[in-house]
Amino acid sequence: DQQVKQNSPSLSVQEGRISILNCDYTNSMFDYFLWYKKYPAEGPTFLISISSIKDKNEDGRFTVFLNKSAKHLSLHIVPSQPGDSAVYFCAASPDLNSGGSNYKLTFGKGTLLTVNP
Amino acid sequence: ETGVTQSPTHLIKTRGQQVTLRCSSQSGHNTVSWYQQALGQGPQFIFQYYREEENGRGNFPPRFSGLQFPNYSSELNVNALELDDSALYLCASRGGPGELFFGEGSRLTVL
Repeated sequence: DQQVKQNSPSLSVQEGRISILNCDYTNSMFDYFLWYKKYPAEGPTFLISISSIKDKNEDGRFTVFLNKSAKHLSLHIVPSQPGDSAVYFCAASPDLNSGGSNYKLTFGKGTLLTVNP
Repeated sequence: ETGVTQSPTHLIKTRGQQVTLRCSSQSGHNTVSWYQQALGQGPQFIFQYYREEENGRGNFPPRFSGLQFPNYSSELNVNALELDDSALYLCASRGGPGELFFGEGSRLTVL
């Protein structure tokens, strides 16, 4: 049972345009959401996160939107650059600010973003 | 640069063998977790260690075990290797609130 779903295995975008990566989740206990970027032969790199008390978080070209009622989040990259080409993982956790086992992240399968020059 | 280093980067084992993977995280990061990433999948949580004790485990059998040491290093041990254990194994340590920093991973191939 996949609790975090990224339904698009791949996305191709022209340089300078907007990239929108989508993620859906099923577990109502998830309280914190993160996006990671992964290049081949490297570990995932933290990109941006959002707590469930917010509906938007922005960091430079990256913005994450959270629709808690729809259990949906999206990552917007504007403008897209060829260096953004990578696999993007959506991840969720009950609460990363508390102790215990709540650092467990549940990941989606990832979306391969290709930004064409 | 995440400050998390893993070794070895690649290794090949045969079915039934045992393997130890190592991770070194940043000083002060007293929580470390391990993930398995199979081909075409997202990382899956194996377990987490906090101050040298396991305090969270995913859906992995007991032949997956770990250790955390006082110097912020840790190990993942897998006994009785199976073909399906072939994967990228990722170590992550906790940075600020809401952040986990991953190493580059150890790619294990079981033949």
